[in-house]
Amino acid sequence: DAGVIQSPRHEVTEMGQEVTLRCKPISGHNSLFWYRQTMMRGLELLIYFNNNVPIDDSGMPEDRFSAKMPNASFSTLKIQPSEPRDSAVYFCASSFTGNEQFFGPGTRLTVL
Amino acid sequence: QQQVKQSPQSLIVQKGGISIINCAYENTAFDYFPWYQQFPGKGPALLIAIRPDVSEKKEGRFTISFNKSAKQFSLHIMDSQPGDSATYFCAASRPDTGFQKLVFGTGTRLLVSP
Repeated sequence: DAGVIQSPRHEVTEMGQEVTLRCKPISGHNSLFWYRQTMMRGLELLIYFNNNVPIDDSGMPEDRFSAKMPNASFSTLKIQPSEPRDSAVYFCASSFTGNEQFFGPGTRLTVL
Repeated sequence: QQQVKQSPQSLIVQKGGISIINCAYENTAFDYFPWYQQFPGKGPALLIAIRPDVSEKKEGRFTISFNKSAKQFSLHIMDSQPGDSATYFCAASRPDTGFQKLVFGTGTRLLVSP
């Protein structure tokens, strides 16, 4: 099992640019989570999906952030336009119906 | 408002010693309490978890102690090893979210010295 796959692993972009982070959950898992990790705020849940449907997006910081899950094997987190304060490590995780969440390796985003 | 408070922020323990990390929560609706371990450059991974119907759960060298009345739980690492050096996060979730919405503590960076 390849685990949760995230791409890219590192992203450096300039302020104002659009950033798209990608996630492939573990096959058979029906829940997918996007987290953001920073030194200041720790690990924060941004949004989670169940059976491809967004369940709770109350952690999405603002309208510049959007997430989609077009099918059971793919999700994206988009930031448009990006700002320096968005710099963080973004994790995707998946689980099967409320059980253990398996985290991907993360995408380290740097916005200059 | 921080729903799960974790301490200490960092911890240095000698090899063979006991590492203790504490967490306290506010919301009595929380009903599932996992601990995650994160190595540098990696995502967090589930280490051990407990539900409040028991006061203690042990898996190998790792033990969770749970005090429901005090709304506190702790992770004990017995015979700590250099390979245990990592950041540890406590978390909590509620049944009305299907236990899916985890609220994490701020993390404890553990260093086990050889």
